Amino acid sequence: GAGVSQTPSNKVTEKGKYVELRCDPISGHTALYWYRQSLGQGPEFLIYFQGTGAADDSGLPNDRFFAVRPEGSVSTLKIQRTERGDSAVYLCASRLDAQEGTPQFFGPGTRLTVL
Amino acid sequence: GEDVEQSLFLSVREGDSSVINCTYTDSSSTYLYWYKQEPGAGLQLLTYIFSNMDMKQDQRLTVLLNKKDKHLSLRIADTQTGDSAIYFCADPKGAAGNKLTFGGGTRVLVKP
Repeated sequence: GAGVSQTPSNKVTEKGKYVELRCDPISGHTALYWYRQSLGQGPEFLIYFQGTGAADDSGLPNDRFFAVRPEGSVSTLKIQRTERGDSAVYLCASRLDAQEGTPQFFGPGTRLTVL
Repeated sequence: GEDVEQSLFLSVREGDSSVINCTYTDSSSTYLYWYKQEPGAGLQLLTYIFSNMDMKQDQRLTVLLNKKDKHLSLRIADTQTGDSAIYFCADPKGAAGNKLTFGGGTRVLVKP
């Protein structure tokens, strides 16, 4: 059984460019989450989806960040006009359902470096 | 996250027990989680405890919860070099606990 997968594993881009980060959740998991982990810190919540809809995007830092999950499976996190402060590891997690007590399972992350 | 706090570093000898501590502020949490992160990797779910439990044991792992003091600990018995990693406690917030709030992580170094 495959776990959560994320591509690319590493992404280096220049300031001002646009990037897309992809997440494939565990098959059958209806809830999908994005977190950002800066160096030396714990992950911070960005957004989560229940099915196709963004149920809570309160963690997105500004309107340069956007995420979609059009078919309720794969999700893409999109960052416009990247800034050096966006450099971090972006983690995706999925959960069987959005119910108390069901744990979130994480992917390996995408390390984003903005030069 | 400022709502969950952990000590930064723990050094332990191989074969000894490790105890990693965590304090949290949200008394309404129904579950609390421990994750392990090895270098360059994502987070691996280790174990979790329901808030009406005081203790949960899972092989070499023992979780203790003091709900009155909002204190959570993870004990690893017979610590091995493969246990060297960063350990995060996580407190679920929001509706159905969908938003995990993590501590800053405790780096555990196991010395042979």
